[in-house]
Amino acid sequence: GENVEQHPSTLSVQEGDSAVIKCTYSDSASNYFPWYKQELGKRPQLIIDIRSNVGEKKDQRIAVTLNKTAKHFSLHITETQPEDSAVYFCAAYKGGNQFYFGTGTSLTVIP
Amino acid sequence: DGGITQSPKYLFRKEGQNVTLSCEQNLNHDAMYWYRQDPGQGLRLIYYSQIVNDFQKGDIAEGYSVSREKKESFPLTVTSAQKNPTAFYLCASSIASWELFFGEGSRLTVL
Repeated sequence: GENVEQHPSTLSVQEGDSAVIKCTYSDSASNYFPWYKQELGKRPQLIIDIRSNVGEKKDQRIAVTLNKTAKHFSLHITETQPEDSAVYFCAAYKGGNQFYFGTGTSLTVIP
Repeated sequence: DGGITQSPKYLFRKEGQNVTLSCEQNLNHDAMYWYRQDPGQGLRLIYYSQIVNDFQKGDIAEGYSVSREKKESFPLTVTSAQKNPTAFYLCASSIASWELFFGEGSRLTVL
C-alpha cells in the first residue's frame, strides 16, 4: 500500500505570514499529489495539485513543491488571510482509484 | 447546478440497525467513492466504483455494503456488523481518477 504522513497537525500563523505544511509518502510509484482544503462544516475542495513530472507549481498565493527522491511534498501559502483558516489534507495517488490521504492540518490564521 | 448530493446530513442510529446513506451525482462521472472521516485521521476509503454494477473494497470495508445500479447513484449501507460506525461520511466522484469532487457529508451517530 501507501503511507502518507502529514505535519504539523495544527498550525497557527499571524495574518500576512506564510504557512508550510509537509507530507511524506512511502510508495515511489505514486505520481499525483493533490491538496484539499476543508472549511468548517463544508466539503473538501481541491486547491492545487502536482504530478510527478513537475517539481513545483504555483497558483497565486499557494504553491506546492515535490521532491521525488526524498518522497515528500509541501504546501506553501504566502500572505495568509483569515479565510485561509481550514483543515488541509494532502494525498498521494498511484493508480487503481486509490487516493491515500494524510491526517490533515488545522490551520488558523490570526487577524 | 452540477454536483454531488448526500443525504441525510445528520443521521442517528440505534445499535443493531442498518442505515443507508444516499449519494447522487449529476457530473456524469464514472468513478464514485465513499470515505470515512474521523477526528485526527485522514480520509479512509470504504468502497469505490469505477463503473455501473462494479465496486471494489477499500481499506475499511468491513461492516459496510454498497451498490451501483445507476451511474448517478452510489448508496452506502452501514450494517450492524460495523462496530464503531459513529463518523463523518464523505461521498466523492471523479473523472479519469484525478480530481475528487466531494459531497457535503453525512454525520452518523450511534445512540
